[in-house]
Amino acid sequence: DAKTTQPNSMESNEEEPVHLPCNHSTISGTDYIHWYRQLPSQGPEYVIHGLTSNVNNRMASLAIAEDRKSSTLILHRATLRDAAVYYCILRDSPGTYKYIFGTGTRLKVLA
Amino acid sequence: GAGVSQTPSNKVTEKGKYVELRCDPISGHTALYWYRQSLGQGPEFLIYFQGTGAADDSGLPNDRFFAVRPEGSVSTLKIQRTERGDSAVYLCASSNQGGDTQYFGPGTRLTVL
Repeated sequence: DAKTTQPNSMESNEEEPVHLPCNHSTISGTDYIHWYRQLPSQGPEYVIHGLTSNVNNRMASLAIAEDRKSSTLILHRATLRDAAVYYCILRDSPGTYKYIFGTGTRLKVLA
Repeated sequence: GAGVSQTPSNKVTEKGKYVELRCDPISGHTALYWYRQSLGQGPEFLIYFQGTGAADDSGLPNDRFFAVRPEGSVSTLKIQRTERGDSAVYLCASSNQGGDTQYFGPGTRLTVL
């Protein structure tokens, strides 16, 4: 099974950058790394995804290690609305669309 | 446009009863996923549909769980002889096609007494 490892929780001050790490040492060569977040009492929402190169969008940046065994989601300026559980997910195996979520990182943003 | 909707938002049932949970995906999305989320855990994959067919049902925990998508749009998750351990939030997601960004619904909170 594909597996990701994330810290259970992290804290950040408002307006400061946040780096959320994820280890995925079993990743296959063709697997994308996806990040979703889940705000309280809501379904998960897409944040960003990438394969090899670092990626940027309006929500965040994704830095992927050269060996692809880890990645880091970067929120450039955390706001109170960014408080959520952040999941780094992979497919269970190549050729399947069974995604494994894990327990994620609960981000607390301090005012 | 309209997102993924799920009904009911809450369902309370008694042990041993049958329940149906409905998912309305985003119009035109061919891929549909069901997940189950227990308290404090991440979503757990149950089943994936591509069109009308279940392409991967390896996450269904046992034969009490069944899901259909007869016309390739709306899907129903069916649970027979419910048990207290089935209590969870059941999430549905859809995507344009398999592997694309998934859009999640708000979930159905199932409580089995």
